[in-house]
Amino acid sequence: KAGVTQTPRYLIKTRGQQVTLSCSPISGHRSVSWYQQTPGQGLQFLFEYFSETQRNKGNFPGRFSGRQFSNSRSEMNVSTLELGDSALYLCASSLTQDRVRYFGAGTRLSVL
Amino acid sequence: GQQLNQSPQSMFIQEGEDVSMNCTSSSIFNTWLWYKQEPGEGPVLLIALYKAGELTSNGRLTAQFGITRKDSFLNISASIPSDVGIYFCAGQDTGANSKLTFGKGITLSVRP
Repeated sequence: KAGVTQTPRYLIKTRGQQVTLSCSPISGHRSVSWYQQTPGQGLQFLFEYFSETQRNKGNFPGRFSGRQFSNSRSEMNVSTLELGDSALYLCASSLTQDRVRYFGAGTRLSVL
Repeated sequence: GQQLNQSPQSMFIQEGEDVSMNCTSSSIFNTWLWYKQEPGEGPVLLIALYKAGELTSNGRLTAQFGITRKDSFLNISASIPSDVGIYFCAGQDTGANSKLTFGKGITLSVRP
């Protein structure tokens, strides 16, 4: 059974640009959540989607957004990139919101 | 946002030794999880705990869900070089607020 797949693995962008990251959950998993990992703040929750609806949102500015498709695949978008957005962005999938989450390898975003 | 307390930040042990890690919170959680992260990868689930007082093993790893529901510990016995990595604890609620809240992680080094 394939794990959580995140693409791309690495991205380099410049300030002011926007970026879209993709996450394919484990087959049969309907909940997808996103986390930002930085050395200073650790792992911080961004948002969670279940059945194409955002169910929970962390304390991030509106520049961070996401969506989920009918096949449970999810994308997150960051607009007007700032230097501080440089981080490892992790996607996690679970059968439902209450079940254990399994993480992908992440997308390493560098903002120059 | 809220984070769980994990300390120390780093631990250095000799191969073959046992090591214990603790995680505490000011809030109660319904599920406690332990993840391990290696360089360039996402967190990998080690053990999930669902009931206060529960003691669960996974090979050389043993974890317990504290009876107050505000803490958990992870024990690694007879450490080996491949145990090197960052160990994160995470608390999870149920229902609409089922996001994961993470500790900052403990970096484990194992000397051969």
